[in-house]
Amino acid sequence: GENVEQHPSTLSVQEGDSAVIKCTYSDSASNYFPWYKQELGKRPQLIIDIRSNVGEKKDQRIAVTLNKTAKHFSLHITETQPEDSAVYFCAALIAGTALIFGKGTTLSVSS
Amino acid sequence: GAGVSQTPSNKVTEKGKYVELRCDPISGHTALYWYRQSLGQGPEFLIYFQGTGAADDSGLPNDRFFAVRPEGSVSTLKIQRTERGDSAVYLCASSLAVLSEQYFGPGTRLTVT
Repeated sequence: GENVEQHPSTLSVQEGDSAVIKCTYSDSASNYFPWYKQELGKRPQLIIDIRSNVGEKKDQRIAVTLNKTAKHFSLHITETQPEDSAVYFCAALIAGTALIFGKGTTLSVSS
Repeated sequence: GAGVSQTPSNKVTEKGKYVELRCDPISGHTALYWYRQSLGQGPEFLIYFQGTGAADDSGLPNDRFFAVRPEGSVSTLKIQRTERGDSAVYLCASSLAVLSEQYFGPGTRLTVT
């Protein structure tokens, strides 16, 4: 079945630095790749997503890139702020139904 | 408008008991999903509804788990003969259509003692 690998599991950066989280997926039929941010005890919140017909998407300080040939996608956060600290999950949509999630990256932004 | 809501927010039950977890999706969303999230892990797919029917229940771990969505809106996840290993946060999500963004509810934290 589909598998989504996410790296790194933890990431510590200084405020103002950039953060990059990478994911790979196994099912070449996957065509939708969202990123969720989850704060402690809260629900996952969709922050950005990308579909397989584009290679990059930006929304202010957040960007996502997709390489379908290599089956990997990445989240880029620029000018990080302490409020960016959270767990970030990548996911891939399989067979038009379920999202398969990575194991998460705990991002810590220190001021 | 209102987001996805789930009740109860917390449920503590004894091993062997039966529990029901409820999900109210965003109004107008035809697709509804149940996920389970254990500590330190990403959400794990359980079952997906399109309208009233379960379009994919391949993620249900065993026959103690069952879910319904009789009128195509509210869904109930039912767990029989609960086991300690069922303890987790059960998340519900809904989307406007199959390939649309999924929005999550706050979850129900289930603890089986």
